[in-house]
Amino acid sequence: GENVEQHPSTLSVQEGDSAVIKCTYSDSASNYFPWYKQELGKRPQLIIDIRSNVGEKKDQRIAVTLNKTAKHFSLHITETQPEDSAVYFCAATLIKAAGNKLTFGGGTRVLVKP
Amino acid sequence: DGGITQSPKYLFRKEGQNVTLSCEQNLNHDAMYWYRQDPGQGLRLIYYSQIVNDFQKGDIAEGYSVSREKKESFPLTVTSAQKNPTAFYLCASSPPGPDTQYFGPGTRLTVL
Repeated sequence: GENVEQHPSTLSVQEGDSAVIKCTYSDSASNYFPWYKQELGKRPQLIIDIRSNVGEKKDQRIAVTLNKTAKHFSLHITETQPEDSAVYFCAATLIKAAGNKLTFGGGTRVLVKP
Repeated sequence: DGGITQSPKYLFRKEGQNVTLSCEQNLNHDAMYWYRQDPGQGLRLIYYSQIVNDFQKGDIAEGYSVSREKKESFPLTVTSAQKNPTAFYLCASSPPGPDTQYFGPGTRLTVL
């Protein structure tokens, strides 16, 4: 089955700096890679996703890049703000017509220091 | 994800008791999922269902059971066979086709 590794497990950045989180996956058939943000005690919320036919996707201060050859994808947050402090999870799956079975990375706790 | 509800928000169980966690969605999603999250850890899949009256085991199904009698509902029972059930339980659903999963607010289960 799929295995997803995520690094680093914790990341502390100064407000305004950039944050980068990296994930690797094992199943070359995986074709969908979402990123979730989870604040303390809350549900994970989708912040951005990328499909295997795209190399990069941006949404304001957030971007995700995908390298299918190397089987890794990364989340980039620019101009970090205190409200970016949370745990971020990457995931990977092979999308099928009847739903998908996500495999999650272990999470990265991001702390943005004002 | 506002259309996915879980109840109760907090649940306390005595050792040896079975408890059932509720998950309901009004998004007309076909697929539903149950995850377990331990403190400081990632999400691990317990069970998932792609269609009514059908479900499959995830990575940590032992000690848990589910049913899917209605499209809107996917309850999870934590049985006494689950030796360490204290955790945060998250339900999710996804629409047909290439789309992501949307999570409910979660149930925090504590064994006393």
